[in-house]
Amino acid sequence: EDQVTQSPEALRLQEGESSSLNCSYTVSGLRGLFWYRQDPGKGPEFLFTLYSAGEEKEKERLKATLTKKESFLHITAPKPEDSATYLCAVGTGANSKLTFGKGITLSVRP
Amino acid sequence: KAGVTQTPRYLIKTRGQQVTLSCSPISGHRSVSWYQQTPGQGLQFLFEYFSETQRNKGNFPGRFSGRQFSNSRSEMNVSTLELGDSALYLCASSPAGSGGTDTQYFGPGTRLTVL
Repeated sequence: EDQVTQSPEALRLQEGESSSLNCSYTVSGLRGLFWYRQDPGKGPEFLFTLYSAGEEKEKERLKATLTKKESFLHITAPKPEDSATYLCAVGTGANSKLTFGKGITLSVRP
Repeated sequence: KAGVTQTPRYLIKTRGQQVTLSCSPISGHRSVSWYQQTPGQGLQFLFEYFSETQRNKGNFPGRFSGRQFSNSRSEMNVSTLELGDSALYLCASSPAGSGGTDTQYFGPGTRLTVL
């Protein structure tokens, strides 16, 4: 059974204090790893898709990386508006089922 | 391009009732997936529809069902509601439903409260 574990569960940062969010996975045949951001009461907002180990993608203050066992979401010089829950999900096999981690709640203080 | 839309946004029902939720995917997207999100279990896959056919189903009881129409719009139905069905129900669409490589785009969700 596919498993996705995110750590830490919650993270509090000072504005400008860079950090990384971890997503480790155990799957049979990774086809895609997805990062989403979710604000309270809203649906997940797509951030990145990674397909193979060594791949990296960047968007503004966020950078996602992928190895054979885990993915990291690096946040550089975060701002209070980056406060949200960050979700990691994996897609495997031929079906469209995504298996999600429990998420990491990030709080950035001004 | 308009995003995924879901209606209604909020619902309050009582135990034993049934409910129907609606989802309109992004224009041109043919695959629609449904997820249940609760504080304890997180996001869990319910089922996926592609070209009006259910292609995959998660580990939920038969009270949860769905369908997809020829215009790719989808509905899900929950019969005989239980207190534990209270959750945020999310719909996601993807262009071709190409399995695990396809990026899914989520709607705002329907918040269901069962009393």
